[in-house]
Amino acid sequence: NAGVTQTPKFQVLKTGQSMTLQCAQDMNHNSMYWYRQDPGMGLRLIYYSASEGTTDKGEVPNGYNVSRLNKREFSLRLESAAPSQTSVYFCASGGQGATGELFFGEGSRLTVL
Amino acid sequence: QKEVEQNSGPLSVPEGAIASLNCTYSDRVSQSFFWYRQYSGKSPELIMSIYSNGDKEDGRFTAQLNKASQYVSLLIRDSQPSDSATYLCAVSGGSNYKLTFGKGTLLTVNP
Repeated sequence: NAGVTQTPKFQVLKTGQSMTLQCAQDMNHNSMYWYRQDPGMGLRLIYYSASEGTTDKGEVPNGYNVSRLNKREFSLRLESAAPSQTSVYFCASGGQGATGELFFGEGSRLTVL
Repeated sequence: QKEVEQNSGPLSVPEGAIASLNCTYSDRVSQSFFWYRQYSGKSPELIMSIYSNGDKEDGRFTAQLNKASQYVSLLIRDSQPSDSATYLCAVSGGSNYKLTFGKGTLLTVNP
């Protein structure tokens, strides 16, 4: 049972390049989330999807787009990467009614030069 | 803007001692409270959840909630070096799906 799988685990981009972080969960969870974690800033919510077909902005959505492709998959896209987007990105999923009981992927470390 | 505040630490305790981690939150309508543990370079994992005032015990861990004081804490009894990690307090409220995290407290348990 893989849980929450993120790809890639590491990526280096140049300013202005685009990329997509992929996330898939096999726990039949309704809600999925993208967080970023920076030193001294804690975990900050970028976007979330309460259920298939819906997405909503979190605390720091600027510069990002998301797609909830189906119940299993939730992708995060950086259209034009900036050095300020250098961070560790975590995807998470949660079951119905358990809005805080999240399962996290292993994280994706992104560096923008 | 919901805020969750934690002492960043580091909190250093000797092996076998009780570690006490504290968290305060700003939004009075918050209903659900969580403690996540994050080892260095790893992802957060849920270790405790608490929804009503009082204490909740799970093995060596006890979560305490006081909604009137907007305060939640985590006690770790008989602390072990393997408990050394960053502990994240998280709060959610109402029907929305947003979980707000504190910045975490780094705990070091010294052998």
